[in-house]
Parts: sequence; structure tokens; C-alpha cells
Amino acid sequence: DIKLTQSPSSLSASVGDRVTITCRASQNINSYLNWFQQKPGKAPTFLIYGASGLQSGVPSRFSGSGSGTDFTLTITGLQSEDFATYFCQQNFIIPITFGQGTRLEIK
Amino acid sequence: EVQLVESGGGFVQPGRSLRLSCEGYGFTFAEFAMHWVRQVPGKGLEWVSGISWNSAGIGYADSVKGRFTVSRDNAKGSLYLHMSSLTPEDTAVYYCVKDSSPVFIAVTASLDFWGQGSLVTVSS
Repeated sequence: DIKLTQSPSSLSASVGDRVTITCRASQNINSYLNWFQQKPGKAPTFLIYGASGLQSGVPSRFSGSGSGTDFTLTITGLQSEDFATYFCQQNFIIPITFGQGTRLEIK
Repeated sequence: EVQLVESGGGFVQPGRSLRLSCEGYGFTFAEFAMHWVRQVPGKGLEWVSGISWNSAGIGYADSVKGRFTVSRDNAKGSLYLHMSSLTPEDTAVYYCVKDSSPVFIAVTASLDFWGQGSLVTVSS
């Protein structure tokens, strides 16, 4: 199975900050990497597909980049509603696997 | 608006069985692959199973293979997960998830809409 490792596991930031979350795959997955946001008690919501594609309805302050084994999710100009947990997920091969999550907290 | 509504979760003893259901609304259910993903409360996400639009393609995580069976009834707009030989390690919130593609092939799988989840607790 492909292992996805996110870093950091948690981070604190302030409204207006720019933050970057990293996801590293245990093998080359081309650009088959997606990102999700999850708020407490809620289901995940789909943010980014294909490493850099913005899902419809997702604010443009979210962006993704990377290919191969190293990927990043960047939020530019944090808003209060962005404080949540973020997961990366690969769809290069079955079984689909997820990173362990990065918890973004208010500083 | 796409909605996925799970039901059937609850408390069950180890070794017993349980069936989860999911009804899809706001989209043509028969045109999309579907998945089950689970999450131990406060922990990470684990993909459990996927099924293509016509049930021709099906896959399972190793952790549930041989114990869980996924199925769908397109006429009813419903997805099912039959879980047997349950263990405490199966305790989790189970999410019904819509795929953006009709086929069950990893490289096309985008998990674009999620249900609210159904909690399954396995304990004696």
C-alpha cells in the first residue's frame, strides 16, 4: 500500500497568515493526489484534485502543487473558517490511502 | 444539491453482523461509482470499499476483505455495506462517498461528496 505522510501533524496560525502543509508519498504517484478539509463532527469536504485542481466552489485562497512524491497544500490569507484538519489522499492505486491529517489551529 | 444519507449504524457485539445503507439524492445515482470510508473518532480516514456504477468493479481494503460485502441497487438509489464477523477494531464512523467517475479505477476516483456518517460501535 502507498503510505502518505503529512507534515506537520499540527500547526498554529493567525487569520491572514499563509500556511503550507506537506504530503509525501512512499512511491511515485504522478499527480494523483487530492486534499480534503474536515471540521469537528463533520464529514470531509473535497478541496483539491489532481494535486492542483481546485474543486468547484472552493475559495481561490486554497492551492495545491507537486507531483511524484512531494505535494503541498497552501492557504493564502487564512480565514477563521479555515481552521480545521486537512487530509491528503492518493488515487494512483487501490487501495486508496489517506495521510494521517494536519490539524490547523488558531494561534 | 447532492445528499448522501447513511443509516443502519449502532451498537453490535463482536462476531455479529450489521448492514449499513446509504441513499443518494440530488444526482443520478446509477451514473457514479460509490465508496465506503471509515474513521475512528478523532483519528484518520481509512478507505473500506468501492463499487462501480454497474457493480462490475468492486474492491476492498485488506482489513475487511472476506468479511464485508458492498452492493448497490441503482433502481432505489442505494448503496449497502454488509459487515460480518465484526471486531472492536471495526468501531468507526462509516461514510458513504460519491465518486466523480462511473468506474472503479483508482486513477479516476475523486471522492467528491460525503454523507454525514453512521457510527458503528462493536463491543461486548
